[in-house]
Amino acid sequence: GESVGLHLPTLSVQEGDNSIINCAYSNSASDYFIWYKQESGKGPQFIIDIRSNMDKRQGQRVTVLLNKTVKHLSLQIAATQPGDSAVYFCAENTGGFKTIFGAGTRLFVKA
Amino acid sequence: GAGVSQTPSNKVTEKGKYVELRCDPISGHTALYWYRQSLGQGPEFLIYFQGTGAADDSGLPNDRFFAVRPEGSVSTLKIQRTERGDSAVYLCASSPDPGRNEQYFGPGTRLTVT
Repeated sequence: GESVGLHLPTLSVQEGDNSIINCAYSNSASDYFIWYKQESGKGPQFIIDIRSNMDKRQGQRVTVLLNKTVKHLSLQIAATQPGDSAVYFCAENTGGFKTIFGAGTRLFVKA
Repeated sequence: GAGVSQTPSNKVTEKGKYVELRCDPISGHTALYWYRQSLGQGPEFLIYFQGTGAADDSGLPNDRFFAVRPEGSVSTLKIQRTERGDSAVYLCASSPDPGRNEQYFGPGTRLTVT
């Protein structure tokens, strides 16, 4: 079935450290996996996506890793900053226009 | 440039009343999406428009929910006979074309049904 979940609901990291946010998915037919960031009182903001035929993609300070064998997705944030504090959602797109979001992980960055 | 805007930002209504929520997408974006987000949860897909037509409305929970986009720009989400369980933040997003994963979200309308 369609479901996207997360291993941990909260993550606390020290400023300057790297953050790793994990996500498990169950739909092997998904074409794309996407990460969004949502700050309090705002709508989600697109971070990065990865196609299902890739296993790694890098952006600015972020890297997404996809392991299709174990149906696992992760978002790595380098040199985490206070402005990175937010809820992070993984999402999947099965090739249609419906994007399925997970429940989110809250990232706290300690100064 | 201007992002996606939604009005009102907050709406309180009584159970059984009718409400309309408005979304102004980014100019030129042909794809428009509505989502519902409950506290502590991720956004839940409701409906997707490509131009004026609803290409996928499979996420609408029941026939009390309806959405239109008559001119391919502004969209209105309509909820009839509201119930307390409809209380949530309703998010709108737009995209330049349906093939793009990057959706631009508005700030949402917080609906409270008393």
